[in-house]
Amino acid sequence: QVRLQESGPGLLRPSETLSLTCSVSGDSVNSGSDYWTWIRQPPGEGLEWIGRIYHSGSAHYNPSFRTRATVSIDVSKNQFSLTLSSVTAADTAIYYCARHQYTYGTNWVDPWGQGTLVTVSS
Amino acid sequence: DIQMTPSPSSLSASVGDRVTITCRASGSISSFLSWYQQKPGKAPRLLIYDTSTLQSGVPSRFSGSVSGADFTLTISSLQPEDFATYFCHQTYSVPFTFGPGTRVDVK
Repeated sequence: QVRLQESGPGLLRPSETLSLTCSVSGDSVNSGSDYWTWIRQPPGEGLEWIGRIYHSGSAHYNPSFRTRATVSIDVSKNQFSLTLSSVTAADTAIYYCARHQYTYGTNWVDPWGQGTLVTVSS
Repeated sequence: DIQMTPSPSSLSASVGDRVTITCRASGSISSFLSWYQQKPGKAPRLLIYDTSTLQSGVPSRFSGSVSGADFTLTISSLQPEDFATYFCHQTYSVPFTFGPGTRVDVK
């Protein structure tokens, strides 16, 4: 069974850099045609796709985050990471990592990690 | 960006009701539309992908369909555990986008 687990600091001050890691078990981040994805959800609000990475290092980003977000992958540790620079209170959210699976001509995002709350406050 | 617009934004229903939630895509997304259920404090749970394919382990009372640009999630007989928020998600073109969600609560 594939499991994803986010880790990282839960409290940041404005202008700092958010760094989160997603540890994957039960699957290899170096396998097949899967992408590894970051999604966030501000408290009480909807879901926002941030970006994703392939095991080759090829990444795609939401233009809303492109200048601030970087997704990286470490196949030796079976992990992938998100950094988001110059955070503000608007970046306060639950951050989820997830697998974006491609197979048989279709695709879907599943499973998801449990999510980690990141609060930006002075 | 492709915008996903749900209808309704919320609804009240009773156990046993047939519930229908729709998401309209602002552009072509082929069949790459998924539905998720989310309960407070939990990660979203995948219900349906590729418009109408039921994820393994999801009860058969959930189904998905499409008519033109309108993608529909139907719960044939609402159960107590189905009171939650439902999101649609297009995975056709980057940036992938979610609908704002439809909250289903108790009438």
